Amino acid sequence: DAGVIQSPRHEVTEMGQEVTLRCKPISGHNSLFWYRQTMMRGLELLIYFNNNVPIDDSGMPEDRFSAKMPNASFSTLKIQPSEPRDSAVYFCASSLRDSQDEQYFGPGTRLTVT
Amino acid sequence: AQKITQTQPGMFVQEKEAVTLDCTYDTSDPSYGLFWYKQPSSGEMIFLIYQGSYDQQNATEGRYSLNFQKARKSANLVISASQLGDSAMYFCAIISNFGNEKLTFGTGTRLTIIP
Repeated sequence: DAGVIQSPRHEVTEMGQEVTLRCKPISGHNSLFWYRQTMMRGLELLIYFNNNVPIDDSGMPEDRFSAKMPNASFSTLKIQPSEPRDSAVYFCASSLRDSQDEQYFGPGTRLTVT
Repeated sequence: AQKITQTQPGMFVQEKEAVTLDCTYDTSDPSYGLFWYKQPSSGEMIFLIYQGSYDQQNATEGRYSLNFQKARKSANLVISASQLGDSAMYFCAIISNFGNEKLTFGTGTRLTIIP
C-alpha cells in the first residue's frame, strides 16, 4: 500500500508568491494532519481534519495560511503571500480514525522562501 | 496542557549495544497515549511504537520496547542490538485520549551509532 504522498518535495519561491502544498492520505484513513517543522519551534500541528472537516485549526499561524480537504483523498495547504519566515518542512500525516491513533507521515515538503 | 521533555539532545552508541532514549511527560489527563517516532536524515517521520496509559504491559515492536513507568511519568525507548541504520532523530510524543487533542512532540534526541 502506498503511504502518504506529498508534492512537491521541494519548493523554492520568492517572498510574496503563493505556495500550494498537496497531500494524498493513506486510502481508508479518516483523519489528516498538517504539521510544520523548524529548528526553532520543532514540530507544530497546523490543522487537523476528520472526515474532511477541519476539527482544529488553532495552529494555523495567520490568515496567510489556509487548508482545504475537498474529498477523502486530497488536501492542500496554501500560503498567500509567502514570507521568508515560512521556510520550513511541511508534513502531512494521516491516521485511521482520529488524533489518538498512530499517525503516518508523508515525506514532507521542504519550503524555502527567499 | 501536555508537555514532553527529552533531555538528551545527542547520544553516541557503539553498534550492537542497547540504547535507552529518555522521555518524561507531563499531563493532567488520566488517559493518554505515548508515541515514539524516528526521523532519519532523509527527513521522513516513521512511527515506531505506542503505549496507552492504561496498558498493563510495556509495548514492544521488534527491537523497540517502551519502558513505561507511570508513577515517574516516563516513557523511555529502548533499542536492543543497535544497528547503523538506527542513526536518526527520535521524537517522543503524547496525546490525551479526551476530545480532539493535539499530538505534542518533544524536541528530539539525535542518536548516532558508531561502527
